[in-house]
Amino acid sequence: DAGVIQSPRHEVTEMGQEVTLRCKPISGHNSLFWYRQTMMRGLELLIYFNNNVPIDDSGMPEDRFSAKMPNASFSTLKIQPSEPRDSAVYFCASSLQSGWQPQHFGDGTRLSIL
Amino acid sequence: GENVEQHPSTLSVQEGDSAVIKCTYSDSASNYFPWYKQELGKGPQLIIDIRSNVGEKKDQRIAVTLNKTAKHFSLHITETQPEDSAVYFCAASKNTDKLIFGTGTRLQVFP
Repeated sequence: DAGVIQSPRHEVTEMGQEVTLRCKPISGHNSLFWYRQTMMRGLELLIYFNNNVPIDDSGMPEDRFSAKMPNASFSTLKIQPSEPRDSAVYFCASSLQSGWQPQHFGDGTRLSIL
Repeated sequence: GENVEQHPSTLSVQEGDSAVIKCTYSDSASNYFPWYKQELGKGPQLIIDIRSNVGEKKDQRIAVTLNKTAKHFSLHITETQPEDSAVYFCAASKNTDKLIFGTGTRLQVFP
């Protein structure tokens, strides 16, 4: 079975550029999560969706970050304009909806902003 | 909000020995506690989880215990092997989709 698929795996870009990260959740899963992982702050939840609707975006650091889920099989996380402090590994995870269902993670996008 | 503390931050053991990682949580309403293993260059992978209606769960060499009164839960790995070397994260959730993660434990198993 295909797991959560993220692209690109690595992204290096200059500050000020727009960055778009992509995620395809596991088929049939109706909850999708975006996380950011850094050495300083660990794993942080940025935003999550249930049935394509954003439920909690309180972890989104600022207005430069936005996320969309136009359909059940695709989501994007966009940073515009990007800054060096946005450098991190960004993970997408999906699960069946309900609080007790395990979240399955993709292998992440390593983002470097120069 | 919920806060999850995890100890130790690093743990080194000899192959065949046991490893124990401990987490505490702050919100007594939390009722779901998963453990994830993260290998280099990979995303976290669920290895075991426990719900608040049980005190212990075991899966081969891995077990998790939960003490709701003290608000702590632990991961126990027996007969450790070099391939157990990774970073382990605990997490807590209170019947919502929102997981709060601990800061991670880097486990090294020496042959």
